Amino acid sequence: DVKVTQSSRYLVKRTGEKVFLECVQDMDHENMFWYRQDPGLGLRLIYFSYDVKMKEKGDIPEGYSVSREKKERFSLILESASTNQTSMYLCASSPTGVKNYGYTFGSGTRLTVV
Amino acid sequence: GENVEQHPSTLSVQEGDSAVIKCTYSDSASNYFPWYKQELGKGPQLIIDIRSNVGEKKDQRIAVTLNKTAKHFSLHITETQPEDSAVYFCAASLNFNKFYFGSGTKLNVKP
Repeated sequence: DVKVTQSSRYLVKRTGEKVFLECVQDMDHENMFWYRQDPGLGLRLIYFSYDVKMKEKGDIPEGYSVSREKKERFSLILESASTNQTSMYLCASSPTGVKNYGYTFGSGTRLTVV
Repeated sequence: GENVEQHPSTLSVQEGDSAVIKCTYSDSASNYFPWYKQELGKGPQLIIDIRSNVGEKKDQRIAVTLNKTAKHFSLHITETQPEDSAVYFCAASLNFNKFYFGSGTKLNVKP
């Protein structure tokens, strides 16, 4: 069964901490994405990557950075966590080209910043 | 960029009734429209999709329709069952690049 795995289901961090959210996919997908999900706002794109060591800003990149050193792993970094970054974070991956069928999502990480 | 609006935000139906969720998009170049179902505690899962060269697609009790002229697409679920209760998201994309999501519809199917 193909999977996108997010390392933590629940995280509680303190304001000002540096936070790492990890995502790993085993489908050899080229594209990987980080979204945050908030009630009434749907899913908003933070960052995405179409290839190793490549990254592009999404719609709400402020306060976040990413790292993609290997094809299967895409990390989201909160440089200095703030309470307004309390949210559900979803990682997704997709293939490119004619075999593209859309995203496969992980189960999400619910982050609380106190 | 693309803007996707989704209605209603909540929908309650009786088991066996039909449910319809509607989305509009702003970018006429968008050509791929997936629908995702998110159950409690899980990530969204693709349930059906449609491409811009098709007007309608069915998969058992689920169907999606697309009106390119009006820039709207809809999800239709017939003979609803309690296990259909979930949050549903529509999305729009150009060439499978970034997906832009609607705000979600919480569907409650009452037994």
